[in-house]
Amino acid sequence: DIVLTQTPDSLPVSLGERAIIRCKSSQSILASFNNKHSLSWYQQKPGQPPQLLIFWASTRKWGVPDRFSGSGSGTDFTLTISSLQAEDVAVYFCHQYYSTPTFGQGTRLELK
Amino acid sequence: EVQLVESGGGLVQPGGSLRLSCAASGFTFSHYLMAWVRQAPGKGLEWVANIKEDGSEKFYVDSVRGRFTISRDNAQTSLYLQMNSLRVDDTAMYYCARFNDSASFDKWGQGSRVIVSS
Repeated sequence: DIVLTQTPDSLPVSLGERAIIRCKSSQSILASFNNKHSLSWYQQKPGQPPQLLIFWASTRKWGVPDRFSGSGSGTDFTLTISSLQAEDVAVYFCHQYYSTPTFGQGTRLELK
Repeated sequence: EVQLVESGGGLVQPGGSLRLSCAASGFTFSHYLMAWVRQAPGKGLEWVANIKEDGSEKFYVDSVRGRFTISRDNAQTSLYLQMNSLRVDDTAMYYCARFNDSASFDKWGQGSRVIVSS
């Protein structure tokens, strides 16, 4: 199975500052049929189910604020929150569906 | 509005069985691959099983294969997870999730809690 490793496990960030979460895949997750990476990002707030933010590594789901962006290629991917808002405090997971689905272990984003 | 509503969770003894249901509405259920994803208390997400749109193919994580069975009823727009020989480490919130053609789970239910304990 493909292993996704997120860094860091916990990230304290001040309001208005930038947050960067990284996700490294143990192998390529580039889909040959569309030349896109099968990598998604989810946000999970306490007591709620995960919510999709980003798919194909960099495509923002409709309705997701543009302060959220995804990037990366090969086996290294990044979720960036350009200016942290209080409502962004949550756990963030990366996920791949190139093969048997797997998730990263999660990154807890908290206020500094 | 797309809705996924899970039910059927609860407390069960090790070795017991439970059947989870997920009632879907607001979209053409038969057009989507569906999945179950679980989350142990305080832990991360783990994909459990998925089923193709017409139910013709099913896939499972190794730890549940042979014990859990995923199924669907497109006429009733419902997804199911039959869980047998439950173990303590199956304790988790179980989410029903819709898989879309962007290789992601774009809709999730609120979850059904399963506790396996003696």
